[in-house]
Amino acid sequence: SQTIHQWPATLVQPVGSPLSLECTVEGTSNPNLYWYRQAAGRGLQLLFYSVGIGQISSEVPQNLSASRPQDRQFILSSKKLLLSDSGFYLCAWSPDKYNSPLHFGNGTRLTVT
Amino acid sequence: GDSVTQMEGPVTLSEEAFLTINCTYTATGYPSLFWYVQYPGEGLQLLLKATKADDKGSNKGFEATYRKETTSFHLEKGSVQVSDSAVYFCALISGNTPLVFGKGTRLSVIA
Repeated sequence: SQTIHQWPATLVQPVGSPLSLECTVEGTSNPNLYWYRQAAGRGLQLLFYSVGIGQISSEVPQNLSASRPQDRQFILSSKKLLLSDSGFYLCAWSPDKYNSPLHFGNGTRLTVT
Repeated sequence: GDSVTQMEGPVTLSEEAFLTINCTYTATGYPSLFWYVQYPGEGLQLLLKATKADDKGSNKGFEATYRKETTSFHLEKGSVQVSDSAVYFCALISGNTPLVFGKGTRLSVIA
């Protein structure tokens, strides 16, 4: 069966520091991969999605970036964090099939101080 | 573009009460519809889905029917429990575009 791993679970970082969040999927090939952010008390904001290695679509311009160095690995990065980057970050995957649901990881709670 | 509108929360119910969370959508083509649930501090879990008109998705006592004529996918449960307290998200996907979520509805069930 397919599983998705996301780490770390929680992270406290100072303003201006770099960020790297990692997500990996097991048990499937060529998944679509996604990064969402959920700010406190708000809905889900799609940040990036990828349909293949090296293919990244950015939905919201900001100081975050994403990379997909391997088929089942998706990384969210920042060179310099802002206070406004605090939130709950969720990685998700879906099969490369029409109208497939997403399956989410357990999320990373990021607090920028 | 595609969009999902769900009722504003929070919703507070007593245990064993009937639950309805309204969801309506706008989409081109033939979307699939989903309800996700997020328990405190966790990621989202797929609760149920429906892929075509008049389909009824069901899971854990929750149900939702894909109504094309009213473009709706309301979530219902006959008797809620304290353990159902969570945030519920309605969502749609149409073709290969990323999933579109509603803003979420927080449900609190009190004993």
